[in-house]
Amino acid sequence: DGGITQSPKYLFRKEGQNVTLSCEQNLNHDAMYWYRQDPGQGLRLIYYSQIVNDFQKGDIAEGYSVSREKKESFPLTVTSAQKNPTAFYLCASSSWETQYFGPGTRLLVL
Amino acid sequence: GENVEQHPSTLSVQEGDSAVIKCTYSDSASNYFPWYKQELGKGPQLIIDIRSNVGEKKDQRIAVTLNKTAKHFSLHITETQPEDSAVYFCAASIRDTGFQKLVFGTGTRLLVSP
Repeated sequence: DGGITQSPKYLFRKEGQNVTLSCEQNLNHDAMYWYRQDPGQGLRLIYYSQIVNDFQKGDIAEGYSVSREKKESFPLTVTSAQKNPTAFYLCASSSWETQYFGPGTRLLVL
Repeated sequence: GENVEQHPSTLSVQEGDSAVIKCTYSDSASNYFPWYKQELGKGPQLIIDIRSNVGEKKDQRIAVTLNKTAKHFSLHITETQPEDSAVYFCAASIRDTGFQKLVFGTGTRLLVSP
């Protein structure tokens, strides 16, 4: 069954803690993306990666970091520098212009 | 940079009525316009897309129209059903250092009442 998986579905972060969100795809797509979604707002791009071992900052990269060691995987770390991390995080992948999304991870702050 | 505006923010219709959601974009170089449906607590799902060399595209009860001159595009849903209730997002492509990205509208919450 092809698609994009994200884990966990819910994640709780304590103050000062770094947390990592997982994103895996088996669609053989070269490009992968991370978006943040807040209520009443559209999707805002955090980071994107065109190929393995390469990634670029999006519009709201501060307080986040990523890696792209494998084509299938694009994990996102929310660092303690991100002061307002509560949001719904969406991962996507694309082979050209059409992006397909995973089911999302909701991050909450304790 | 590209700016995508989406209206209305909420739309309530009766089952069987039609629904229209409109988006405008600012970058005349945009050439790809997808629409996504997002159900509560889930990721967005692509429902239809259109490229700038086409004025209209249909898929059963869903259609999208594009006016390149006016820089706006619309989603039309006919014979709406309760399961069409969701948040719909439009997007427009932009090209950044040779790579194509999407800029999203702020979403329209569609409620279809039985």
